Amino acid sequence: GAVVSQHPSWVICKSGTSVKIECRSLDFQATTMFWYRQFPKQSLMLMATSNEGSKATYEQGVEKDKFLINHASLTLSTLTVTSAHPEDSSFYICSASFSREILQYFGPGTRLTVL
Amino acid sequence: DAKTTQPPSMDCAEGRAANLPCNHSTISGNEYVYWYRQIHSQGPQYIIHGLKNNETNEMASLIITEDRKSSTLILPHATLRDTAVYYCIVRVEQTGANNLFFGTGTRLTVIP
Repeated sequence: GAVVSQHPSWVICKSGTSVKIECRSLDFQATTMFWYRQFPKQSLMLMATSNEGSKATYEQGVEKDKFLINHASLTLSTLTVTSAHPEDSSFYICSASFSREILQYFGPGTRLTVL
Repeated sequence: DAKTTQPPSMDCAEGRAANLPCNHSTISGNEYVYWYRQIHSQGPQYIIHGLKNNETNEMASLIITEDRKSSTLILPHATLRDTAVYYCIVRVEQTGANNLFFGTGTRLTVIP
């Protein structure tokens, strides 16, 4: 149980375009989802936290207008990288938790390459 | 949340026990110790967590010192698939999910 999927697993796009990444909890209802970013040879850095039906809470230094997060249902959250640039190339990972559960269950990640 | 210190890398022979240490000398009484691992180019995987008693599950054992200032994750029979970065995280357990702070972790390499 507690499986989280992400789609796509990798994506290559041109600079200036927008990319949407989906995060789904497959066998549980996720009241909270988290989005992390990981650059090569670095650790995971939290970007934002989203609760179903509420606006996401962004970490300091993360542009909310550039990284749009939607958590419209208990099983789906999306991250849209708007007007992507090469410096946005990274490994994006989501995780999900359900009510009263502390553990986070992570998706497999999405590798974004912006040319 | 308390800060943790881990060695940057370790090697372990296949089939032997891998003992990964973690120092958390500033841990508070209500903070749990969590271990996750991340295999290359994958999302992190939960391993185990504990408060003060030793814990064991199908993946690993967690040994926490009596003063709770350090802990050791034990993989009893390491395999090549255990090669990963292991993260020790200290966090208060409370209702409602909170973010996890991933430090630099320990890169474990299991050698054939």
